[in-house]
Amino acid sequence: GAVVSQHPSRVICKSGTSVKIECRSLDFQATTMFWYRQFPKKSLMLMATSNEGSKATYEQGVEKDKFLINHASLTLSTLTVTSAHPEDSSFYICSAYALSLSYNSPLHFGNGTRLTVT
Amino acid sequence: DQQVKQNSPSLSVQEGRISILNCDYTNSMFDYFLWYKKYPAEGPTFLISISSIKDKNEDGRFTVFLNKSAKHLSLHIVPSQPGDSAVYFCAASEGDRDDKIIFGKGTRLHILP
Repeated sequence: GAVVSQHPSRVICKSGTSVKIECRSLDFQATTMFWYRQFPKKSLMLMATSNEGSKATYEQGVEKDKFLINHASLTLSTLTVTSAHPEDSSFYICSAYALSLSYNSPLHFGNGTRLTVT
Repeated sequence: DQQVKQNSPSLSVQEGRISILNCDYTNSMFDYFLWYKKYPAEGPTFLISISSIKDKNEDGRFTVFLNKSAKHLSLHIVPSQPGDSAVYFCAASEGDRDDKIIFGKGTRLHILP
């Protein structure tokens, strides 16, 4: 149980285009999902908290208009990187919060998406 | 301001020996600590956790020790196996905010044959 599916796993796009990444909780409902970005040799950086039915909460320094987050249902959150630039190339990971499913770890992670902007 | 610190970016350990990964934190309100393991191009997976009311938690080859007075925790892996080669993230959460988990920068563990 507690599977989080992230799609696509890899995507290459041209500079100036937009890319959508999906995060789905397959067997549970997640009112809260999180989006992270991993930089080389650095930690997972929390970008934003996605709440079903309301606006996402962005961390300081994250551009809201560039990284659009939509959490339209209890099982799906999407991250859209708009007008992508090469510096947006990174590994993006989502996680879903489900306390009731696991006492030990309330966060369940997707497998991540490698974005390359050419 | 880094609340969770993993000061060793990498660690190499001989197969069969003990691997010890360290983590320090600054926020005295943290009361739940977790370790995640991450392989390249994959999301982190939960490994082991410990509540602040305990000082040790053991699960098979993995043991986490917590020293609250020193604000320090460590993950022991014994014996180390090749499949343990990965990046290990220390994480912490505070009180009723267990939905907001703060991660350290990670330590890359290499298990040597």
